[in-house]
Amino acid sequence: SAVISQKPSRDICQRGTSLTIQCQVDSQVTMMFWYRQQPGQSLTLIATANQGSEATYESGFVIDKFPISRPNLTFSTLTVSNMSPEDSSIYLCSTRSTDTQYFGPGTRLTVL
Amino acid sequence: GIQVEQSPPDLILQEGANSTLRCNFSDSVNNLQWFHQNPWGQLINLFYIPSGTKQNGRLSATTVATERYSLLYISSSQTTDSGVYFCAVVRGGNKLVFGAGTILRVKS
Repeated sequence: SAVISQKPSRDICQRGTSLTIQCQVDSQVTMMFWYRQQPGQSLTLIATANQGSEATYESGFVIDKFPISRPNLTFSTLTVSNMSPEDSSIYLCSTRSTDTQYFGPGTRLTVL
Repeated sequence: GIQVEQSPPDLILQEGANSTLRCNFSDSVNNLQWFHQNPWGQLINLFYIPSGTKQNGRLSATTVATERYSLLYISSSQTTDSGVYFCAVVRGGNKLVFGAGTILRVKS
């Protein structure tokens, strides 16, 4: 199994600013995933982050808006840049271990 | 891409009742998981079940891969079962695709 922590747990931000979300896993993992859950919606994959390579973004998500770092096998960050109210969502970090997906507690972001 | 459909979208149960949630998927998969998202937003993995049947306490799940559906059974429901239940699949690669979820409310 994998235990994932995220910081911050929630934040309220002003339009036009940026927020960096941190994700820490309690073991070394190859792949880390970032998901977005808009209010009342399901989860959508933003990008997959492998250590030592550029993140792979899903359709509709771009690196300029959601830059990702993966400096080692236990840590990743997601930045939400130049925020607008439409970015208000829960952002979740995730990894997979022996076919089972594990999720962090999420970062609840509100943009005013 | 693969489509994942869950039913029903909403379900209200009296405490102690049983329920069945369904997940249909449009193509063969090599990974299917059920998750529970509690009212605080935490996602908990319930089952990894690409085929066959598994049970864990009051919960059980069955996936019939050849017919492209999975069922999640909740017996003797409790108020703590409330939340959203998601089915998610992987078809090749690593991308987990989620269904829209079933919102479950258990009333005491």
